[in-house]
Amino acid sequence: AQSVTQPDIHITVSEGASLELRCNYSYGATPYLFWYVQSPGQGLQLLLKYFSGDTLVQGIKGFEAEFKRSQSSFNLRKPSVHWSDAAEYFCAVGPSFSGGYNKLIFGAGTRLAVHP
Amino acid sequence: GAGVSQSPSNKVTEKGKDVELRCDPISGHTALYWYRQSLGQGLEFLIYFQGNSAPDKSGLPSDRFSAERTGGSVSTLTIQRTQQEDSAVYLCASSLEFSGGDWDGYTFGSGTRLTVV
Repeated sequence: AQSVTQPDIHITVSEGASLELRCNYSYGATPYLFWYVQSPGQGLQLLLKYFSGDTLVQGIKGFEAEFKRSQSSFNLRKPSVHWSDAAEYFCAVGPSFSGGYNKLIFGAGTRLAVHP
Repeated sequence: GAGVSQSPSNKVTEKGKDVELRCDPISGHTALYWYRQSLGQGLEFLIYFQGNSAPDKSGLPSDRFSAERTGGSVSTLTIQRTQQEDSAVYLCASSLEFSGGDWDGYTFGSGTRLTVV
């Protein structure tokens, strides 16, 4: 079955420190992979995506992610975290073709706190 | 429009009342999705519309929940006889139909925060 796992529910880092958020997936072929960010009281905003080509993808706000097929992972990274990066981060994989419908499968999210 | 628009942004209702939540997707997006996000929780899929196809209602939690999409554009999610456990943020998203190639995934609205008192 297709699935997404974000092993870390909460992560706390100091401002200026590096960040890596983990995402592992189960999918029968090369998936489309996405990272979304949700700031408090807001909807989800796309940070970056991967569907083919260079396995290291750059996104907005200084984020990047690397697709590793052998590890079924798509971890999100940022070299230096800013206080404004405190938010919830969701990894998604798809499309999940079920019953004639294509949907994304979302992980449970990782809540990031940033200490000054 | 430029983005996915949801209204109202906040709704407080009394237990037992019906509520309607509205979603206006990005122009040209044929797919529309509703999700529910309870406090501190992840995304719970509710319903999916794709063009003129029958909607995927597999995520609706009970028959008190229904949704329609008129003219392939605006969608309304209706909750009848609201209960306190319906309190959550209801998110709408839209996308182009997936057909392989470069696909941008979903664009989300800012959500409607529903509080049932």
